[in-house]
Amino acid sequence: AQSVTQPDIHITVSEGASLELRCNYSYGATPYLFWYVQSPGQGLQLLLKYFSGDTLVQGIKGFEAEFKRSQSSFNLRKPSVHWSDAAEYFCAVGVRTRRIAQKLVFGQGTRLTINP
Amino acid sequence: NAGVTQTPKFRILKIGQSMTLQCTQDMNHNYMYWYRQDPGMGLKLIYYSVGAGITDKGEVPNGYNVSRSTTEDFPLRLELAAPSQTSVYFCASSYSPGMNTEAFFGQGTRLTVV
Repeated sequence: AQSVTQPDIHITVSEGASLELRCNYSYGATPYLFWYVQSPGQGLQLLLKYFSGDTLVQGIKGFEAEFKRSQSSFNLRKPSVHWSDAAEYFCAVGVRTRRIAQKLVFGQGTRLTINP
Repeated sequence: NAGVTQTPKFRILKIGQSMTLQCTQDMNHNYMYWYRQDPGMGLKLIYYSVGAGITDKGEVPNGYNVSRSTTEDFPLRLELAAPSQTSVYFCASSYSPGMNTEAFFGQGTRLTVV
């Protein structure tokens, strides 16, 4: 069965430091991968997505992610974090349902805290 | 653009009460979804719809019902609220059935059952 694992439940980094959030997936077919961010009290916003092609994808707010098929990973990175990046981050894989709709399977989420 | 709008934002229910969580989108998306978010568990799919009049169960449908009479609206009904339904509920929509489609989320409804 498809699944997404985010090994780090909570990460704290200092403002200006680099960031990497880990994501591993399990899915038998070609994965369609997403990173969403949830700011406090808000819904989920798409940061970036990978469908095919270049394995390094750029997203909004200066984030990027690299797809590594051999490691079944899709880690999110940012060279220098800002206090406004404090939020919860979700990795997800898009899977096909019997009615050919998109279903997102989410990881458990990683809460990011930024130290001033 | 309003996008996906959910009401109410917060609600406290007593055990056994019923309520409907409202969701509407103004993007003319055919595909709509209801997820619940529990701490440390990520989001789980409750129900989804591929168009007006067509709905199907997701991973955790027990205790919920949905209907889709229009393209815009996808309400989620709780008939007999139970403490296990305490959660944050998110409605989402997407334009295409393909797996390469971005889903747009509402701001969520925080429900507490006491």
